[in-house]
Amino acid sequence: NAGVTQTPKFQVLKTGQSMTLQCAQDMNHEYMSWYRQDPGMGLRLIHYSVGAGITDQGEVPNGYNVSRSTTEDFPLRLLSAAPSQTSVYFCASSYSNPSAGVPWAQYFGPGTRLLVL
Amino acid sequence: AQSVTQLDSHVSVSEGTPVLLRCNYSSSYSPSLFWYVQHPNKGLQLLLKYTSAATLVKGINGFEAEFKKSETSFHLTKPSAHMSDAAEYFCVVITSGTYKYIFGTGTRLKVLA
Repeated sequence: NAGVTQTPKFQVLKTGQSMTLQCAQDMNHEYMSWYRQDPGMGLRLIHYSVGAGITDQGEVPNGYNVSRSTTEDFPLRLLSAAPSQTSVYFCASSYSNPSAGVPWAQYFGPGTRLLVL
Repeated sequence: AQSVTQLDSHVSVSEGTPVLLRCNYSSSYSPSLFWYVQHPNKGLQLLLKYTSAATLVKGINGFEAEFKKSETSFHLTKPSAHMSDAAEYFCVVITSGTYKYIFGTGTRLKVLA
């Protein structure tokens, strides 16, 4: 298993540009989520999904869109990048059915470091 | 509402001495609690989890945590620190049915030779 994969590893954007951060998992996890990590603030939940076709907002959703057309993929879109979105972004996945594995323990990708100028 | 407070942003210990990283939580219903570790420029790795079974939870690399409902605490301990334990540690809570994990702000552990 590759686990949770994220691309790109690093990206530089100019203010106003758009881009998509890719996230994929091969563990057949129902639950997937996106976080941003900023110094001194821990990880903050941006959006999450409990299955294909179902998404919802987390703590800091503004400026970000998501969709979940398949179980495996959960891309994060920045529609118009702003310097405040400079951060490290992590994707994570987990089982949501306790009988299917370690309940609610998330597996994290390696992260995408984003710099918005 | 649920929340997590990690009481120390930085902890320094000498190699071979005990480690204590403190975490208090707030949850309106049965919480699941986790500790994750993040080494520099790496992703997060699960250390251990509590999901309403035994209150003393053993994790990887000799870490353990005790769930104390009366104190709303879930402190992480290790009897003897190793240099490789130097990292940032996150306490995380999720309340059943909310689907939202809440992270603490992290504790950076430094291990002195």
